[in-house]
Amino acid sequence: DADVTQTPRNRITKTGKRIMLECSQTKGHDRMYWYRQDPGLGLRLIYYSFDVKDINKGEISDGYSVSRQAQAKFSLSLESAIPNQTALYFCATSDRGSTDTQYFGPGTRLTVL
Amino acid sequence: QKEVEQDPGPLSVPEGAIVSLNCTYSNSAFQYFMWYRQYSRKGPELLMYTYSSGNKEDGRFTAQVDKSSKYISLFIRDSQPSDSATYLCAMSENYGQNFVFGPGTRLSVLP
Repeated sequence: DADVTQTPRNRITKTGKRIMLECSQTKGHDRMYWYRQDPGLGLRLIYYSFDVKDINKGEISDGYSVSRQAQAKFSLSLESAIPNQTALYFCATSDRGSTDTQYFGPGTRLTVL
Repeated sequence: QKEVEQDPGPLSVPEGAIVSLNCTYSNSAFQYFMWYRQYSRKGPELLMYTYSSGNKEDGRFTAQVDKSSKYISLFIRDSQPSDSATYLCAMSENYGQNFVFGPGTRLSVLP
């Protein structure tokens, strides 16, 4: 079984809809991250969480919110999706003692029409 | 100017070739440098990690960091078709925090 899972893997939605992307991990890591990947722009950090009670904005948090429901679960919400949020979204985890290594999930391809 | 620049490719090489992948950056405070490999429809996976300037070797892979030139490289020796992927550089000022990624270079190794 994969250590970092993301659901859904693909989603097509319409402008204005609320969308939630979910991430679960079985690695026992404290730290979790949400990134989006766009062609030519690489990975950009949206939000990160160093433990259940800690939430931090990343480079591009506008239009997004997150919830750390448990150590193993970190969800990303788009309150009112817009077309320029069409991208590949990745969840990642890292361990407190070895945070140079991030383990990525398989990604969620989101299309906003 | 982007904080981290990387030639997007695609780069095509014959099997067995030596491959050089490069990133330049503008923030002199970056101290931690990483290379990730991303296969199609997969998440990135860490290949190499280096701290400050210098070289690091792991099998067919060598990572080089030149902080004075703000330039990092990944060399792949005896490249294989299984090396075909997108390679992302990443860097940060502080250990384990605020990684900044390059846009990635797509590499194809032809049999």
